Amino acid sequence: GENVEQHPSTLSVQEGDSAVIKCTYSDSASNYFPWYKQELGKRPQLIIDIRSNVGEKKDQRIAVTLNKTAKHFSLHITETQPEDSAVYFCAARSLSGSARQLTFGSGTQLTVLP
Amino acid sequence: EPEVTQTPSHQVTQMGQEVILRCVPISNHLYFYWYRQILGQKVEFLVSFYNNEISEKSEIFDDQFSVERPDGSNFTLKIRSTKLEDSAMYFCASSEGGANVLTFGAGSRLTVL
Repeated sequence: GENVEQHPSTLSVQEGDSAVIKCTYSDSASNYFPWYKQELGKRPQLIIDIRSNVGEKKDQRIAVTLNKTAKHFSLHITETQPEDSAVYFCAARSLSGSARQLTFGSGTQLTVLP
Repeated sequence: EPEVTQTPSHQVTQMGQEVILRCVPISNHLYFYWYRQILGQKVEFLVSFYNNEISEKSEIFDDQFSVERPDGSNFTLKIRSTKLEDSAMYFCASSEGGANVLTFGAGSRLTVL
C-alpha cells in the first residue's frame, strides 16, 4: 500500500517569512495529493490539492509543487501570519484501481512567531 | 456551505462496552469514510463505503468494527467491545464521487477507560 513520509515534524518561522513542508510517497499509481490544515481540536480542512497532470498550483499565499519522477510534493506558504499556525498534513491517493483511500503523512506542526 | 455532521462530539465509555458513532454525510455525496486520529498522531484510514457496502478497509478495521447506513441520511461506526487503544478522535468524511475531494466532519472524541 501507499506510504507517505512528511518532514519536518515541527517548523517555527517568523511572521512574514516563508514555510516549506515536504512529503514523499511510495505508490507510483497515486495521482491526487491534497494538503489539510488542522487547528487544535478541529477537523482537517483542505487548503489546496494537486493532481498529477500538473507540476505546480498556487492559491494566493499557498502553493504546492509536485515531482512525479522523484515521488515528492511540497507545500509552500509565503508571507506567513500567526493564523497560519496549525498542523499541516499531506496526503496521497490513487484515483484508479481498488485502493482509493487517502493515506496521510505524519503531520507538521507549524508555529508562526509574531 | 454543506457540512458533515458527527455526534456525539465526545463519548466516554468503559472498556468492553459497545459504542456507536454517528455521521450525517453531505446529502448529495455517495462515498463515505471513517478515519481515526490517536492524540498527536496522523489521521488513519479505517473504512470506505459506497452503494451500501464496504469498498475498502484497513487492517485497523477488524471484526470489532462495523459500519452501517441505516437510513438515507445516517452513516454509523460501531465498535462492539471497546479497548483502551480505541481511544481516539474518529472523523467521518464524505465525497461526491470516488475521485472527489473529501469533506471531513468535526470528529467524535472517544475515550475508553
